[in-house]
Amino acid sequence: RKEVEQDPGPFNVPEGATVAFNCTYSNSASQSFFWYRQDCRKEPKLLMSVYSSGNEDGRFTAQLNRASQYISLLIRDSKLSDSATYLCAVNTKSNYQLIWGAGTKLIIKP
Amino acid sequence: NAGVTQTPKFQVLKTGQSMTLQCAQDMNHNSMYWYRQDPGMGLRLIYYSASEGTTDKGEVPNGYNVSRLNKREFSLRLESAAPSQTSVYFCAISQAGTTDTQYFGPGTRLTVL
Repeated sequence: RKEVEQDPGPFNVPEGATVAFNCTYSNSASQSFFWYRQDCRKEPKLLMSVYSSGNEDGRFTAQLNRASQYISLLIRDSKLSDSATYLCAVNTKSNYQLIWGAGTKLIIKP
Repeated sequence: NAGVTQTPKFQVLKTGQSMTLQCAQDMNHNSMYWYRQDPGMGLRLIYYSASEGTTDKGEVPNGYNVSRLNKREFSLRLESAAPSQTSVYFCAISQAGTTDTQYFGPGTRLTVL
């Protein structure tokens, strides 16, 4: 089993819809969780950190489920500009090593 | 304020050739990282430097060496390139470890023939 797993997609979603995807992790001791966005042929950029209590930033909501060892990302009222690949990252026992999922590709259609 | 810069943007090498990828930052962050990204796989850490003067191996260090030249610069060297090293290489920085946001450079697309 991979340490961090994501459904590669693509998720094809009509504009204005709500979409959610998960990221599972295997290390129960992980403490830091992140969602990054990566546009085609560009570098990853931080979308959100994921806190234990869950957090929201505009149309984006991130949640952590420690019991089942996954994090989730919910996008409401999706825009064409949300089309991208969404990467999750989880820390390991080392303070300097993140383990990355392979990403979920999201395509928003007009 | 450029953030994180990488040179070159593209490179084609023949098997056995060597090259150095350069990374520089102007954000005064302590930690620097080198990743490779291959299709269908997550970013994989090659080497990192927690602070100036220190470097450590990541998940896939074989075939690579690094130098933390000063606080701003962190280079990645391929001594004898192999086709398996064809990839996109990203440099990243963070203020201090995995609790902080990592900021990435634009990447170097390397092809080894």
